[in-house]
Amino acid sequence: EVQLLESGGALVQPGGSLRLSCAASGLTFSSYVMSWVRQAPGKGLEWVSGISDSGGNTYYADSVKGRFTVSRDNSKNTLYLQMNSLRAEDTAVYYCAKDGTFWSGYGYYYYIDVWGKGTTVIVSS
Amino acid sequence: DIQLTQSPSFLSASVGDRVTITCRASQGISTYLAWYQQKPGKAPKLLIYAASTLQSGVPSRFSGSGSGTEFTLTITSLQPEDFATYYCQQLNRYPSWTFGQGTKVEIK
Repeated sequence: EVQLLESGGALVQPGGSLRLSCAASGLTFSSYVMSWVRQAPGKGLEWVSGISDSGGNTYYADSVKGRFTVSRDNSKNTLYLQMNSLRAEDTAVYYCAKDGTFWSGYGYYYYIDVWGKGTTVIVSS
Repeated sequence: DIQLTQSPSFLSASVGDRVTITCRASQGISTYLAWYQQKPGKAPKLLIYAASTLQSGVPSRFSGSGSGTEFTLTITSLQPEDFATYYCQQLNRYPSWTFGQGTKVEIK
């Protein structure tokens, strides 16, 4: 069974930093694109960041670009999210997610097929 | 950026009802759309991808359709465990993936 387990969430002051980790098991971690998705209290889902299977390509939502850095260690089956210059609006549950792909014969389709349980980040003074 | 608008944002329905949720994209996304179900305090769960392909293990009462800018998620006979919030997500242009604002399905 594929499992993703996030850790590192905490209460942090505005302007502070935090690093989230996601330990993956039950899959060949190095074969998959991975994402971070967040959900502010009482709000909807927001895709935050993604990273290619090798780690060579990284992607960010405009809302976090320049402040967050995604990385992975395939030897440790672990995904990371370094969050700097945190703001109140970054308060959310952060989910680690595995991207799935489907070849239709005409092109690749993507989706998120495995989610972690989430870790809570609260940015407040 | 591609915006997704779900309607309705909230619906009240009874067990056994047929429920339809609509997701409209601000520009054409072919069939690069997925649907998720989320229950309170839980992570989302994939229901449908490529607009109409049912994820393995998802009951057949769930179905998806549409292409371009208009998509629907249909639950043919609502069950007690289906009361949840549903989100659409466009995956047309990586990495700028976006979600709809959600549709909460509650018991009438």
